[in-house]
Amino acid sequence: EVHLVESGGGLVLPGGSLRLACAASGFTFRDHYMDWVRQAPGKGLEWVGRSRNKENSYSTEYAASVKGRFTISRDDSKNSLYLQMNSLKTEDTAVYYCARRGIPANGGDYWGQGTLVTVSS
Amino acid sequence: DIQLTQSPSFLSASVGDRVTITCRASQDIINFLAWYQQEVGKAPKLLIYAASTLQSGVPSRFSGSGSGTEFTLTISSLQPEDFATYYCQQLRNYPLTFGGGTKVEIK
Repeated sequence: EVHLVESGGGLVLPGGSLRLACAASGFTFRDHYMDWVRQAPGKGLEWVGRSRNKENSYSTEYAASVKGRFTISRDDSKNSLYLQMNSLKTEDTAVYYCARRGIPANGGDYWGQGTLVTVSS
Repeated sequence: DIQLTQSPSFLSASVGDRVTITCRASQDIINFLAWYQQEVGKAPKLLIYAASTLQSGVPSRFSGSGSGTEFTLTISSLQPEDFATYYCQQLRNYPLTFGGGTKVEIK
């Protein structure tokens, strides 16, 4: 059974940093693109970024709102996806989800439960 | 960036009703569109991909149609467990983007 479990959320000061992790199990992690998606309290979904697979050189894409501040990486040997968040702003406060891009389903076919990041002084 | 406009943003319906939600893209996305359902406090769930392909395990009362810039999600007979918020997402170009959501509530 596919499982995605995010961790690393918490309270951080504006300007601070945080690293989220997403532990994957139940599927061949290295084959899949993986996304980070966030949801601010009471708001809609916002795509944060994507990590492609090894076949596609682990290349990444980012939303403009996080480009240059957030970095997505992965360790296929640990079946894990990461989101390094630097220079955090209050508007980064959200639940952060990791999601697997399906094959052949072109969409997030499995999601984690999310981890809450609160940026506040 | 490709903007997705969902309508309505809110709808009130009864069990058994036929419900249609529209998603309009600011430019041609061919059929690179997915639909999700999100219940309160839960992660989104993929319903439809490639505009009209039903994800495995999703009830057949859900269907998707459209291409280019206009897409629809239809629930043929609304069930109690369908009261949730629905989002479209385009996967044609980066950055990937979501629509603003449609909240379906009980009348």
